[in-house]
Amino acid sequence: DTVLTQSPALAVSPGERVTISCRASESVSTGMHWYQQKPGQQPKLLIYGASNLESGVPARFSGSGSGTDFTLTIDPVEADDTATYFCQQSWNDPFTFGSGTKLEIK
Amino acid sequence: QVNLLQSGAALVKPGASVKLSCKASGYTFTDYYIHWVKQSHGKSLEWIGYINPNSGYTNYNEKFKSKATLTVDKSTNTAYMELSRLTSEDSATYYCTRGDTYYYYFDYWGQGVMVTVSS
Repeated sequence: DTVLTQSPALAVSPGERVTISCRASESVSTGMHWYQQKPGQQPKLLIYGASNLESGVPARFSGSGSGTDFTLTIDPVEADDTATYFCQQSWNDPFTFGSGTKLEIK
Repeated sequence: QVNLLQSGAALVKPGASVKLSCKASGYTFTDYYIHWVKQSHGKSLEWIGYINPNSGYTNYNEKFKSKATLTVDKSTNTAYMELSRLTSEDSATYYCTRGDTYYYYFDYWGQGVMVTVSS
């Protein structure tokens, strides 16, 4: 299975720029997607196809990468962005998720 | 608006089975796949598999092939997942999601249903 590796946690101040990384154990082309999950809620799609912003998601969120290295950027960060962010690949079967990066806003 | 409404929480005994439901509304049910995702408490997400509501075709994660069975009822726009021979390892929150048929991302999620396996 394709393993997606994310750093476990980050802490930033409001107004700063934050990058959350996701590294795949093998190429996933641009079949990488990003989700935001707040406590007690279901995940919410932010970015699909590595760099496409889902409708209704603020333009502060952006994604980049291809192959094995991907990044989710939030610029500027707001207090409401406190959440866990997951990457998910759909290029290789079975589809897999990263372990999540918990973002704390100081 | 698109909505996926899942059945309520379940408390089931070890060795039993449980059938979870996911009622879709706000879009043409047969135009999108329905995927199921497992989230163990405080942990990451695992993809269980998907079903094509139009054809009934299913694709399972090998890990869940003997655990989950996916079906749909097109007459009621409802997808189902049956989990069998439950153990404590199956205690988790289960989500149904609507899946894009090109990129296979999940654009709408149900609210999730918590399954607790306990005697």
